[in-house]
Amino acid sequence: GNSVTQMEGPVTLSEEAFLTINCTYTATGYPSLFWYVQYPGEGLQLLLKATKADDKGSNKGFEATYRKETTSFHLEKGSVQVSDSAVYFCALDTGGFKTIFGAGTRLFVKA
Amino acid sequence: GAGVSQSPSNKVTEKGKDVELRCDPISGHTALYWYRQRLGQGLEFLIYFQGNSAPDKSGLPSDRFSAERTGESVSTLTIQRTQQEDSAVYLCASSRKTGPGTEAFFGQGTRLTVV
Repeated sequence: GNSVTQMEGPVTLSEEAFLTINCTYTATGYPSLFWYVQYPGEGLQLLLKATKADDKGSNKGFEATYRKETTSFHLEKGSVQVSDSAVYFCALDTGGFKTIFGAGTRLFVKA
Repeated sequence: GAGVSQSPSNKVTEKGKDVELRCDPISGHTALYWYRQRLGQGLEFLIYFQGNSAPDKSGLPSDRFSAERTGESVSTLTIQRTQQEDSAVYLCASSRKTGPGTEAFFGQGTRLTVV
C-alpha cells in the first residue's frame, strides 16, 4: 500500500544552520508529493509540493525535489531561522482522495 | 468563511459519553476530510466526503465513529461511548477538488480528552 516515512525528530539546530528532513515514500502509480508545516498553535498548511518526477517545490526558502529513482522528497533549507520552528509533515496523494501523511518531524531552532 | 473552522476547540468528556465535533469547510470546497492526530503521531485518515457521492469511511476505527455531511456544507463527526484511546486532536480539512497536487486546507482541530 501507499505510505510515507520521514525521519524521527525532534531535530534541534542553531540559527543559520542547514536543514534536511528526509522523506521517502511507497506508492503505486505516480503520486503528488507535499510538505505541510504546523507552526505552534496553528493548523497545518501547505509549504510546498511537486506533482511529477524531477519537479522541485519551493517556498519560504525551503526546497524539495521529487526523486522517483530513490522514491524520496527530502526537505532542505540553507539557513534556518527561529521562526522555522514547527512540525513538518511529508505527504503523498495518488490522485485519489486519501492524502497520506508521515508521522511528522518536529524542528527546534535555537537563537 | 476565510478558512476551515472547527468547534469546539477543546472538549473534555467522561468515558462512555457521546461527543459531536463540527467542521465548517471553506465555501465552495467539495471535498472534506477528517483526520485524527494522536499525541506525537502522524495524521490518521478517518473519512472523506466528495460532494454528494457516498463517503469513503474506510479509515473509521470502529462502529462507534460516524460522520455526516449534507452536500458541500458542514460536517459533524460523532464518537459514541467514548474511550480513553479516543483522546486525540481531530482535524478537518477541505479542498476545492480532488486530483494530483490538490492542496488541502486544515482547521485548527478539536482536542478531545476522554477522562
